[in-house]
Amino acid sequence: DTGVSQDPRHKITKRGQNVTFRCDPISEHNRLYWYRQTLGQGPEFLTYFQNEAQLEKSRLLSDRFSAERPKGSFSTLEIQRTEQGDSAMYLCASSRWDLGDNEQFFGPGTRLTVL
Amino acid sequence: AQKITQTQPGMFVQEKEAVTLDCTYDTSDPSYGLFWYKQPSSGEMIFLIYQGSYDQQNATEGRYSLNFQKARKSANLVISASQLGDSAMYFCAMREGERRDDKIIFGKGTRLHILP
Repeated sequence: DTGVSQDPRHKITKRGQNVTFRCDPISEHNRLYWYRQTLGQGPEFLTYFQNEAQLEKSRLLSDRFSAERPKGSFSTLEIQRTEQGDSAMYLCASSRWDLGDNEQFFGPGTRLTVL
Repeated sequence: AQKITQTQPGMFVQEKEAVTLDCTYDTSDPSYGLFWYKQPSSGEMIFLIYQGSYDQQNATEGRYSLNFQKARKSANLVISASQLGDSAMYFCAMREGERRDDKIIFGKGTRLHILP
């Protein structure tokens, strides 16, 4: 399978715990995006990277959230001191932006439940 | 104000009929892109079709076509000859500004049910 992969697919945690999600983009895709989707809503942009550089962060990304893409390949999204409001599906997408592609390819998502 | 408005929370359509999913958008930027994504119950977002603001012709991809009415700021998705597998959530989305900015804003979606 050469699509975008995310791990884990599901995460249940207690309020106050830290969680980390991983995204592996399609090989050679230089842009990687993180979105959050709550029930009944469309995905909301969180942040994106071009190679290892984080180019934009949404105001939704509070100080408790941090994302990295250290070598320009996989990315991690960490949420510290989780709150019940963090419960959502976290989607990762990637694109080969420099080739003029408009499409962002999405992964299957990580569903986070904060108890 | 919402950037992307999808006014149909849910739709029921008989198999093999054509279906139109509505989408209106709001932007003052002359350069933008419009997308439609499908999200089945499994959760992954599947890209369907893209329309650039400067594209002269409506985009088509197989059974999908985008009815782009720029003056009305409308970008409706038309699915011809619907199939049971088309049952899913459908999201209209927009990228404002030049391509380099790249952030996509999604609407709230329309849940499409195809009836046998």
